[in-house]
Amino acid sequence: GEDVEQSLFLSVREGDSSVINCTYTDSSSTYLYWYKQEPGAGLQLLTYIFSNMDMKQDQRLTVLLNKKDKHLSLRIADTQTGDSAIYFCADAYGSSNTGKLIFGQGTTLQVKP
Amino acid sequence: EPEVTQTPSHQVTQMGQEVILRCVPISNHLYFYWYRQILGQKVEFLVSFYNNEISEKSEIFDDQFSVERPDGSNFTLKIRSTKLEDSAMYFCASSGFTSTDTQYFGPGTRLTVL
Repeated sequence: GEDVEQSLFLSVREGDSSVINCTYTDSSSTYLYWYKQEPGAGLQLLTYIFSNMDMKQDQRLTVLLNKKDKHLSLRIADTQTGDSAIYFCADAYGSSNTGKLIFGQGTTLQVKP
Repeated sequence: EPEVTQTPSHQVTQMGQEVILRCVPISNHLYFYWYRQILGQKVEFLVSFYNNEISEKSEIFDDQFSVERPDGSNFTLKIRSTKLEDSAMYFCASSGFTSTDTQYFGPGTRLTVL
């Protein structure tokens, strides 16, 4: 079946940029999403990118998509301690027309003051 | 801003008991979903629901699971006879007018089966 993979942990200093990476296998992906999960909370939509785009910028967030390599990244500029959370990459599985999302295992971002 | 709500936030039950997890999707959304996240594991798709019927379900969603939209606002997930391995965080999500619209998630219900 289709799969999404992420590295498990990233630690950065406050003020640095963070880059969280994700790879996916779905050849017919339509949209790719980034969700944020703070401790004990639900999944908060951060941003998304349509599969025919290469890049999307939204304030401190930059999403890069390399469709050939099936690689997605999320860059957070000027990372703050409040950005500490788990970040999930999710693929809107293109072969399903029901909206099914396939999630990566999540990357825990630790921001040190 | 409209949001998806879920109740209860935490449910503790004995193995073999039935549980019903409740969700109120965003008003005027047409597509509804349940996902679950076992502690330390990926968020997994369970089921999608549109036009009062299941449009897709995963292998996890066996005969012990059912979903219902009883009154046009609530969306429920029932587990008929809970097992220990059903312990997880269950997330409800809804999306707007097409299946490719962005899904908005509720805060989750933590189910603990003893």
